[in-house]
Amino acid sequence: GENVEQHPSTLSVQEGDSAVIKCTYSDSASNYFPWYKQELGKRPQLIIDIRSNVGEKKDQRIAVTLNKTAKHFSLHITETQPEDSAVYFCAASGYNFNKFYFGSGTKLNVKP
Amino acid sequence: EPEVTQTPSHQVTQMGQEVILRCVPISNHLYFYWYRQILGQKVEFLVSFYNNEISEKSEIFDDQFSVERPDGSNFTLKIRSTKLEDSAMYFCASSEMGESNTEAFFGQGTRLTVV
Repeated sequence: GENVEQHPSTLSVQEGDSAVIKCTYSDSASNYFPWYKQELGKRPQLIIDIRSNVGEKKDQRIAVTLNKTAKHFSLHITETQPEDSAVYFCAASGYNFNKFYFGSGTKLNVKP
Repeated sequence: EPEVTQTPSHQVTQMGQEVILRCVPISNHLYFYWYRQILGQKVEFLVSFYNNEISEKSEIFDDQFSVERPDGSNFTLKIRSTKLEDSAMYFCASSEMGESNTEAFFGQGTRLTVV
């Protein structure tokens, strides 16, 4: 089955700096890679996603890159703000989307 | 904006008791999922459900667990004879599963505490 590894487990940055979270996956059949943000005690919410036919996707301060050959994908947050502080999970899913494999999460702390 | 809703938000049960966690997926969604998250750990896949049957299940989803879609709107997870290690946050999710609509929307979760 698929195995998604996520690094780092915790990340502390100064407000305004950039943050990068990296994930690797094992199953070359995976082709959909969402990123979820989970604030304390709340549900995971999708912030950005990418499909395997695209190498990069950007939405304002958030971008995701995908390297299919190396089987890794990354989340980039620029100009971080304190409200970006949360746990971020990467995930991978195959063609039939019948399950999502999640990474172990990265706790991002943005210091004002 | 449509939401996945789960009830109850918190359930405390005695070890060995049965619990039913309830979910109302988004109405036009076709795929339904249950995930769990033990405190401080990753979100783990339990089961997916499509076309009124289980599509896939993980090794966690043993005979103790069952899912049901008793009517057109509810999707339930039953845990028979709960164990202490079943204590976790249980998330229901649903997905439209179209070519361009693959996002899984999560409910707010049910925190299950087995004592």
